Amino acid sequence: QQQVKQSPQSLIVQKGGISIINCAYENTAFDYFPWYQQFPGKGPALLIAIRPDVSEKKEGRFTISFNKSAKQFSLHIMDSQPGDSATYFCAARTSGTYKYIFGTGTRLKVLA
Amino acid sequence: DTAVSQTPKYLVTQMGNDKSIKCEQNLGHDTMYWYKQDSKKFLKIMFSYNNKELIINETVPNRFSPKSPDKAHLNLHINSLELGDSAVYFCASSPFGGNTEAFFGQGTRLTVV
Repeated sequence: QQQVKQSPQSLIVQKGGISIINCAYENTAFDYFPWYQQFPGKGPALLIAIRPDVSEKKEGRFTISFNKSAKQFSLHIMDSQPGDSATYFCAARTSGTYKYIFGTGTRLKVLA
Repeated sequence: DTAVSQTPKYLVTQMGNDKSIKCEQNLGHDTMYWYKQDSKKFLKIMFSYNNKELIINETVPNRFSPKSPDKAHLNLHINSLELGDSAVYFCASSPFGGNTEAFFGQGTRLTVV
């Protein structure tokens, strides 16, 4: 019940295309859902985050869609660029704690 | 003006040794974490401290001992290192309450030979 399932494991997208990464969870006690971007040799960096009372949040080319009833959320990267090539992690935080559970990561490659 | 800094960045050591990784944050956050990232990139929480008090202690071998001398520092000491301890260890911090996303350091790549 503590898991966050992330798919796909890897993704190749053409420059200018849309990258979509999906996550699903079971624990209804999760109350905060951040997405992190990690470049090789670097720590994960916060990209965008959403609370379950919001169905969509957009920041620039990055959008989170959240479906509370289905317990699913996804990251959409519009107009994907080669510089977006990185590993992306979804995460979920258990309400009342500071415990973040991470998905297994998606390695995105955007072809020039 | 690095927000979360870890030292060392790389650590190569022999089995059986004891080593420490240091972490400092200058963000004024109350909560600090240690995460382990394995070779498959899976990130798993190990410990969390809030204002120097241990609040999360996952099923980590007791060879791993975190120490928080003050709320800006969280060090990780590992005794009797084993081959399976090889991984990248990330320190992170987050503020208390509100949108408490965690900010990560650059990681320490530990290799046990």
